[in-house]
Amino acid sequence: GENVEQHPSTLSVQEGDSAVIKCTYSDSASNYFPWYKQELGKRPQLIIDIRSNVGEKKDQRIAVTLNKTAKHFSLHITETQPEDSAVYFCAATGSGTYKYIFGTGTRLKVLA
Amino acid sequence: NAGVTQTPKFRILKIGQSMTLQCTQDMNHNYMYWYRQDPGMGLKLIYYSVGAGITDKGEVPNGYNVSRSTTEDFPLRLELAAPSQTSVYFCASTSLGGELFFGEGSRLTVL
Repeated sequence: GENVEQHPSTLSVQEGDSAVIKCTYSDSASNYFPWYKQELGKRPQLIIDIRSNVGEKKDQRIAVTLNKTAKHFSLHITETQPEDSAVYFCAATGSGTYKYIFGTGTRLKVLA
Repeated sequence: NAGVTQTPKFRILKIGQSMTLQCTQDMNHNYMYWYRQDPGMGLKLIYYSVGAGITDKGEVPNGYNVSRSTTEDFPLRLELAAPSQTSVYFCASTSLGGELFFGEGSRLTVL
């Protein structure tokens, strides 16, 4: 079955710097890759997603890149702000299975 | 729309007791999921359903059961609760291969 690995587990950056979180998936049939942000005590919420027919997607300060050959995808946050501090999860789901498998999460701390 | 609604929000169980976590969604989504999230950890898939009458195991199904008699409802049953089932449980739903919408979570403690 699908397995998703996520690195790093924790990441501290200075306000204004960029943050990059990387995920690797195992099932080459996976075709949808969302990223979720979870604030303390809250539910996960979608921040950006990408499908397998696209290599990159951007939404203001957030971007996701996908390398299907290497089976990895990354979240890029530019000009980080204190409110970006949270836990970020990547996920992957395969064609025809609809099992959303999550990575282990990255705790991002933006230092003011 | 209320989205995904979970009840109860908090519950304390004694070892060996049973209970059902309720989940209902009003978005007419076919796909529904149950995840558990242990403190400081990621989301592990327990069970999922692709439509009424159809359920399948996820990564960590042992100790749980589900049913899906309607499109709206997807209850999770815990039989013979154990301390290892202490966790936050999230229900989620989606339309075809899209964004997962999560409920607010149910915090369960087994003592």
